[in-house]
Amino acid sequence: DIQMTQSPSTLSASVGDRVTITCRSSQSISSWLAWYQQKPGKAPKLLMSKASTLESGVPSRFSGSGSGTEFTLTISSLQPDDFATYHCQQYNSYPWTFGQGTKVEIK
Amino acid sequence: EVQLVQSGAEVKKPGESLTISCKATGYSFSSQWIGWARQMPGKGLEWMGTIHPADSETTYSPSFQGQVTISVDKSISAAYLQWSSLKASDTAMYFCVRRFGAYYYFDYWGQGTLVTVSS
Repeated sequence: DIQMTQSPSTLSASVGDRVTITCRSSQSISSWLAWYQQKPGKAPKLLMSKASTLESGVPSRFSGSGSGTEFTLTISSLQPDDFATYHCQQYNSYPWTFGQGTKVEIK
Repeated sequence: EVQLVQSGAEVKKPGESLTISCKATGYSFSSQWIGWARQMPGKGLEWMGTIHPADSETTYSPSFQGQVTISVDKSISAAYLQWSSLKASDTAMYFCVRRFGAYYYFDYWGQGTLVTVSS
């Protein structure tokens, strides 16, 4: 199985901060990576696919980059609605696997 | 509008059986793979398996193969996740997920069903 490792596990930040979350895969997944946002007690919401393609309706302050084994999710200016847990998921190889999640909390 | 609406929370004892459901609306149910993901308390997400409603072709994660059964009733646009003998370690939130086309990521999620297994 491909292991997905996110860092950091928890990130403390303030409104307006630029935030970067890293997701590493144990082997190359090309650009077959999705990012999800999950708020407490809610279902995950798809943010982007193919490493950097934003879903319709996702604010442009979110961006994604990377290919191969290293990927980043960046929030250019953190907003109150962005405090949540973010998950990456590879869909290059069966079985499809997720990272452990990165919690973005208020500093 | 695509919606996946799941059945309510369950509290069961070890050894009991259980089926939870997911009702899909807002799209052609038989044309898209649908499946399930698990989130154990305080943990990350795990893909369990997916099924194609048109022919019930099913793919399971090796971690869940033989542990659960995924099925559909396309006449009512519903998907199901079934256990024949629950364990305490099955305690988790379970999400119904729709696979996006030919790709194995998930564009719509149900609200989740909390399953608690305790003696």
